[in-house]
Amino acid sequence: EDQVTQSPEALRLQEGESSSLNCSYTVSGLRGLFWYRQDPGKGPEFLFTLYSAGEEKEKERLKATLTKKESFLHITAPKPEDSATYLCAVQGPGAQKLVFGQGTRLTINP
Amino acid sequence: NAGVTQTPKFQVLKTGQSMTLQCAQDMNHEYMSWYRQDPGMGLRLIHYSVGAGITDQGEVPNGYNVSRSTTEDFPLRLLSAAPSQTSVYFCASNLGQGTSPFFGPGTRLTVT
Repeated sequence: EDQVTQSPEALRLQEGESSSLNCSYTVSGLRGLFWYRQDPGKGPEFLFTLYSAGEEKEKERLKATLTKKESFLHITAPKPEDSATYLCAVQGPGAQKLVFGQGTRLTINP
Repeated sequence: NAGVTQTPKFQVLKTGQSMTLQCAQDMNHEYMSWYRQDPGMGLRLIHYSVGAGITDQGEVPNGYNVSRSTTEDFPLRLLSAAPSQTSVYFCASNLGQGTSPFFGPGTRLTVT
């Protein structure tokens, strides 16, 4: 059974303090690993798709990386507006279903 | 493009009532899905469709029906609401398998 575990559950940083969020996954044949950002009361907002180990994607202060067992979302010099819940999801072969982790709630203090 | 739209934004139902959550997308995506989000449970797939006239069950389909008569619309029906269906419901669409789903703004449903 496909599984996704995100850690930590919550993370509080000072503005400018870089860190990483972890997404560990188990899937039989990865079709894609997705990162989303979700603000309170809103739908998940797409950030990145990663398809194979070694792949990296960047967007502003965010960088996502992928290995065969986990993905990291690195946040460099974060700002208060980066505060949100970050969701990781995987898709296996032959299935439309995305399996989501429970998310990491990130708070950036000014 | 409006992307994925959902109505209503909020809804309160009594146990046993029925209702339809509406979802529409204007991106010409073939795939559409319904998820529910509950505290501590993450997002879970209810039903999905890979094209007009084709639907299938996800992880938690009981108590919900769907149909897909057009590419644009994918309504979710609750036939007899139960308190366990209190949740936030998200509709999503994507081009095809392995592509990133884009989510709507959600419908917050409370069943009393």
